[in-house]
Amino acid sequence: GAVVSQHPSWVICKSGTSVKIECRSLDFQATTMFWYRQFPKQSLMLMATSNEGSKATYEQGVEKDKFLINHASLTLSTLTVTSAHPEDSSFYICSAVGPYNEQFFGPGTRLTVL
Amino acid sequence: AQSVTQLDSQVPVFEEAPVELRCNYSSSVSVYLFWYVQYPNQGLQLLLKYLSGSTLVKGINGFEAEFNKSQTSFHLRKPSVHISDTAEYFCAVSEGGGFKTIFGAGTRLFVKA
Repeated sequence: GAVVSQHPSWVICKSGTSVKIECRSLDFQATTMFWYRQFPKQSLMLMATSNEGSKATYEQGVEKDKFLINHASLTLSTLTVTSAHPEDSSFYICSAVGPYNEQFFGPGTRLTVL
Repeated sequence: AQSVTQLDSQVPVFEEAPVELRCNYSSSVSVYLFWYVQYPNQGLQLLLKYLSGSTLVKGINGFEAEFNKSQTSFHLRKPSVHISDTAEYFCAVSEGGGFKTIFGAGTRLFVKA
């Protein structure tokens, strides 16, 4: 089946720094990718829709200046958490829409901000 | 607007017993329905999906779900669970033709020996 990877799988950073998370579709092209965040023992909350070659569409309540999304190619979308703070600590999961409109999820990135 | 309600936050069950995880949704248009499983510190894996056609959908690992339009439900079932089925299960809905997916709060299935 289709594979989506995320890098890094976990990251620890100091408060105030920026962190970039990559999401790659390894064996298919994805014009649409999604970014979710998941707090412990909670569900996935959609943050934004990432479309190749255009600006991301953010969900209500998600700060677009804080969570920068770039979908520069058909196989790569990046999420940059700018000036991260402890409340940004979470599990970030991406998904990519495959050729038959099915979503494939990445393994997630655990972000811890100290 | 769409919403998904998973009625049970936790379901403990003994090994080899049957299990049902409940899911109800609301939407004003036709929907696609999904069940995903998440193991600790991992992403989501698709168990099964309903797009159209037969209301009984069979998925991986022996799971199945039945779409009931009149009751707006999509309950997940397995006739005999294993210890390895212990995980978090998410019901999800997307509007027909769209990609945006809304997830339920999740149900923690705990299989005891």
